[in-house]
Amino acid sequence: DVKVTQSSRYLVKRTGEKVFLECVQDMDHENMFWYRQDPGLGLRLIYFSYDVKMKEKGDIPEGYSVSREKKERFSLILESASTNQTSMYLCASGTGKTYVMNTEAFFGQGTRLTVV
Amino acid sequence: AQRVTQPEKLLSVFKGAPVELKCNYSYSGSPELFWYVQYSRQRLQLLLRHISRESIKGFTADLNKGETSFHLKKPFAQEEDSAMYYCALRDNYGQNFVFGPGTRLSVLP
Repeated sequence: DVKVTQSSRYLVKRTGEKVFLECVQDMDHENMFWYRQDPGLGLRLIYFSYDVKMKEKGDIPEGYSVSREKKERFSLILESASTNQTSMYLCASGTGKTYVMNTEAFFGQGTRLTVV
Repeated sequence: AQRVTQPEKLLSVFKGAPVELKCNYSYSGSPELFWYVQYSRQRLQLLLRHISRESIKGFTADLNKGETSFHLKKPFAQEEDSAMYYCALRDNYGQNFVFGPGTRLSVLP
């Protein structure tokens, strides 16, 4: 069973704080993702990593950064939290291979972040 | 640009009625397409993928390249099917996933 684990289920932070969201996967997946989930907007990709220390911006990277120092761990950083970053954050991992059977993304349970 | 659209935000049907959740995509190559489901208070999980042509929980989806569609169907809806459904496309070049906005299915007793 693939396990993608996010460090916190709920977080409440103050405006201006630096916030770290952690994600760990145990399937040796090459790819890891951070999404933001908002009603009516679906899942929007913040950042994507296809290897250790490698990252690519997604659709909404502004105000966020990421870190991938080890293959199994992908961190999302809010440099200075703002109220418009209140949302559900989803981490996912997936294989970097193509034309294999299990190419889907596997998701963590989500972190509900509230910025006050 | 890659894009996934799901025209219905909310779909309500009665138990036992057929259900179809629509999904259209735009992608220049050969896409991999998926349906994900999120039940209340649970994590997002894969329902089915087009490449395996399987039926999961009575749901099927056929990839129609001519119409660029991947609609999800079930002949007889059950109350436990009530959930949020997302259609997703995997970019085989960049390997990231593009999700649609989701459709909330409500199956009424």
